[in-house]
Amino acid sequence: DIQMTQSPASLSASVGETVTITCRASENIYSYLAWYQQKQGKSPQLLVYNAKTLAEGVPSRFSGSGSGTQFSLKINSLQPEDFGSYYCQHHYGTPFTFGSGTKLEIK
Amino acid sequence: QVQLKESGPGLVAPSQSLSITCTVSGFSLTSYDISWIRQPPGKGLEWLGVIWTGGGTNYNSAFMSRLSISKDNSKSQVFLKMNSLQTDDTAIYYCVRDDGITTGAMDYWGQGTSVTVSS
Repeated sequence: DIQMTQSPASLSASVGETVTITCRASENIYSYLAWYQQKQGKSPQLLVYNAKTLAEGVPSRFSGSGSGTQFSLKINSLQPEDFGSYYCQHHYGTPFTFGSGTKLEIK
Repeated sequence: QVQLKESGPGLVAPSQSLSITCTVSGFSLTSYDISWIRQPPGKGLEWLGVIWTGGGTNYNSAFMSRLSISKDNSKSQVFLKMNSLQTDDTAIYYCVRDDGITTGAMDYWGQGTSVTVSS
């Protein structure tokens, strides 16, 4: 099974800052990588698919990059609604493993 | 619009089985795959398994011996059954639309149903 290693586990940042979350796959997954955002008490929502394509309605301050085994999610100019948890997940064959998550908190 | 809604028992006794129904609307189960994902309290997301449009299934090997996913296309319902539940199966269980054609990712999630395993 493909393992997804996500870092950092937690991150504290202020409104207006730029943050980056990284995800590493245990083997080559090409660009089959998605990012999800989950706010407290809510279901996760798709942010990015195919490593760099923003899902419908996702603000352009979010961007995804990477291919192969190294990926990142960058959030420019953090807004109050961006705080929550973020998960990467590969979609290169089953099992569709998730990263362990990054909790983004307000500083 | 696209909607998925899980309905489950809420409370399950240890060693008993869990049955959850996911009712979808706004799309056909013959066009989209459905995955089940769970999230224990305060923890991350865990993929359990998928039922493909054609009815075939794939499971997380950690659950293969006690998990079954099925569906009724005509009723737009997907079913999860898990046997021999233990306390560490306490979690929110989500059914999720898996868009294998366009995004290859999980584009719509149900609200989740909370399951507590306790005597």
